[in-house]
Amino acid sequence: GAVVSQHPSWVICKSGTSVKIECRSLDFQATTMFWYRQFPKQSLMLMATSNEGSKATYEQGVEKDKFLINHASLTLSTLTVTSAHPEDSSFYICSALLAGGPREQFFGPGTRLTVL
Amino acid sequence: AQSVTQPDIHITVSEGASLELRCNYSYGATPYLFWYVQSPGQGLQLLLKYFSGDTLVQGIKGFEAEFKRSQSSFNLRKPSVHWSDAAEYFCARMNSGYSTLTFGKGTMLLVSP
Repeated sequence: GAVVSQHPSWVICKSGTSVKIECRSLDFQATTMFWYRQFPKQSLMLMATSNEGSKATYEQGVEKDKFLINHASLTLSTLTVTSAHPEDSSFYICSALLAGGPREQFFGPGTRLTVL
Repeated sequence: AQSVTQPDIHITVSEGASLELRCNYSYGATPYLFWYVQSPGQGLQLLLKYFSGDTLVQGIKGFEAEFKRSQSSFNLRKPSVHWSDAAEYFCARMNSGYSTLTFGKGTMLLVSP
């Protein structure tokens, strides 16, 4: 149980285009999901906390207009990178909190974004 | 701010030898602590966690960790390393409010034959 999926697993796009990444909790409901960014050989940096039915909470230094987060249901959160630039190339990982369960995050497999 | 320190960027261990990965956390109320493993290009897999109770925690794949409040440490150990254990290991703590996680910078484990 407690499986989180991400789609796509990798994506290549042109500079200036937008890319949407999906994060789904497959077998549980998640009122809260998190989006992380990981640069090569570095740790995970929290970008934002996504709560179902409300606006996301962004960490300091993360542009909310560039990284649009939508948590429309208890099993789906999306991250849209708008007007992508090469410096947005990174590994994006989501996680989900089991609603009503212990405060443990379950992580997705990640999405590799490459902006040309 | 709450922080997590992993002092070793990378460690090389011979297959079959014992392993200890260090993790220190900044002072705070009883922390919720985690160890995750990440293979290249993959997401994170939870090895073990400490919330309360017995300070020696058993995890998957033969890993264990010991919470030592006096040393603000939560070191990960394994008595005999296998080549498949080569990966990046992250220590993390749950922040106050019991929601977000702060990760250490990670320790890359290399296993030599």
